[in-house]
Order: sequence, then structure tokens, then C-alpha cells
Amino acid sequence: DAGVIQSPRHEVTEMGQEVTLRCKPISGHDYLFWYRQTMMRGLELLIYFNNNVPIDDSGMPEDRFSAKMPNASFSTLKIQPSEPRDSAVYFCASSPGGGHEQFFGPGTRLTVL
Amino acid sequence: SQQGEEDPQALSIQEGENATMNCSYKTSINNLQWYRQNSGRGLVHLILIRSNEREKHSGRLRVTLDTSKKSSSLLITASRAADTASYFCATDMNAGNMLTFGGGTRLMVKP
Repeated sequence: DAGVIQSPRHEVTEMGQEVTLRCKPISGHDYLFWYRQTMMRGLELLIYFNNNVPIDDSGMPEDRFSAKMPNASFSTLKIQPSEPRDSAVYFCASSPGGGHEQFFGPGTRLTVL
Repeated sequence: SQQGEEDPQALSIQEGENATMNCSYKTSINNLQWYRQNSGRGLVHLILIRSNEREKHSGRLRVTLDTSKKSSSLLITASRAADTASYFCATDMNAGNMLTFGGGTRLMVKP
């Protein structure tokens, strides 16, 4: 298995632009997570899905952030409009079930100018 | 606020020495997990210890869990330069799969 796949790996955009991050989880994993990592705040859970359904989005910082999982093999995290403070590394992770380890993707480094 | 807090924040040792990192947490847990993150990479799962377990081994890794003190430790024996990375503890409070990560310990192993 190729593991969790994220794209793009790097994204540089200007303030106000829409940003879409993509994730393909490991086949057969029922859970998908979106995290954000910054030096100041560490690793934060933004939202997670179980069987394509959003379960907890309490970590989503603002209405500018939205996430979807239209099917078991694809998820997106969208920021519209983007702001410089959104600059961070965004990780997607998947897991086979509750109480199990999580498998992380390589991350997307987002820079908003 | 973070559920898990690692100590120390940074650790520098010589190759061959043992490295010990500690994690404290605030509420009851279902399990506690340790992850490693190399610079510029995603996190990699190392070991999971359940609340009814006290100690677990995996190769050169030894994890202990003291639920009465709400703390865990990760010991890396006979460290290697390749062990240089950040190490995070993560707590699962309700087996619902939500993990809360600590701030991490940055380990540097000098050759």
C-alpha cells in the first residue's frame, strides 16, 4: 500500500485566494483525520470522519475552513478565503478503527503571503 | 489546552546512550500512543499502550504507563544518529479515535 497520499506537497498562495488540500487515505481505513501543525500551537486536530461522515469538527478554526469526504478514498480541506495566519503544515491521517494507531501522510506545507 | 505534555522539550545525547522522554496528561485515557516525526515528514506511529497495561516493548523502545500518576515514559536504548527526530505522545480518551497530541520532545543524537 502506498500509504496516505496528500497533494499538493507545497502550496504558496496569496491572501484571499481559495486553497484546496487533498487526501487519499489507506484503502480499508474507516477513519480520516485532518490536522494542522504550527510552531506556536503544535499539532491540532481540525476534523475527523468515520465512514465518510464528519464526526467532530470542533477543531475547525473558522467558517473559512471546510472539509468534505465524498467517498471512502478521497477527502478535501478547503480554506476560502485564505489568510497569512493559515500558514502551516496540514496533515491527513487515516486509521482502521477506534482505538487504533493513525497513519499520517507526508503533509502539505501551506504558505499564505 | 494540550492533553499531553512532553518533558523535556529538547534532549541532546551521544550515540549509544539511552534517551528517556516523559509525557503527562490530565484526564483518564483509553490508550496512549507515541509517534516520531522526522524533520519535514509526517508522524510515524511507534507504540500503543492501553490503560490496563503498564509496560510495553518494541525493539529498542520501552514504554511505561502509570495511570495513577497520569504519566508515561518512552525509553530509547542504545540510541543511533537516525533516532534524531521529534517524539510525541498522544492520548485517546474515549476509544473514539480522537487523539490529543502533546508538544513533543526534540531529540538529537550526536554521532
